Amino acid sequence: AAGVIQSPRHLIKEKRETATLKCYPIPRHDTVYWYQQGPGQDPQFLISFYEKMQSDKGSIPDRFSAQQFSDYHSELNMSSLELGDSALYFCASSFPGINSPLHFGNGTRLTVT
Amino acid sequence: AQTVTQSQPEMSVQEAETVTLSCTYDTSESDYYLFWYKQPPSRQMILVIRQEAYKQQNATENRFSVNFQKAAKSFSLKISDSQLGDAAMYFCAFRSQGNLIFGKGTKLSVKP
Repeated sequence: AAGVIQSPRHLIKEKRETATLKCYPIPRHDTVYWYQQGPGQDPQFLISFYEKMQSDKGSIPDRFSAQQFSDYHSELNMSSLELGDSALYFCASSFPGINSPLHFGNGTRLTVT
Repeated sequence: AQTVTQSQPEMSVQEAETVTLSCTYDTSESDYYLFWYKQPPSRQMILVIRQEAYKQQNATENRFSVNFQKAAKSFSLKISDSQLGDAAMYFCAFRSQGNLIFGKGTKLSVKP
């Protein structure tokens, strides 16, 4: 079965640079979520989209923005990167409704040097 | 606000034995779902099992089962016949609206 695809798998950036993470949800899933997981931490919710509109917002810094496109893929744009942004970034997708579990991609590991 | 608490940062089990991971949550919602996710060293997040709050019957998936006590707001995960491949971080998660809210996780080690 098709899974959530994230690219790239690994990304190394320097401080103050920008980064773009991409997420391709499972076909027919119209809801996308972004999570940030620091070393030894639990995943923290950043932002979600339903039918290309932002549906919920968590602890996403103002330096970050995201959008969902007409083909339902999503991109997380991160600017003015800081050392503390080094983390594993997960994208997850689901059908709408709380009974639909979130299916996670393999994550993008971002390292800021 | 909803919270999820996993009080056991680390647990250890002998291969083939049974282990129970604890999770409690706090919410004023009446309709919600609870999940256990497994995160092995590969860091992939894998859904293990889910429970609907309005269902009395505890969910079961092969060697994994839950003990859901709604009144006590408790949602523990039991792993039977533990295998080496069960070694991972286990996250309990709550969902009443959109996103998942995770606990801090329990790191499970399996001894051969």
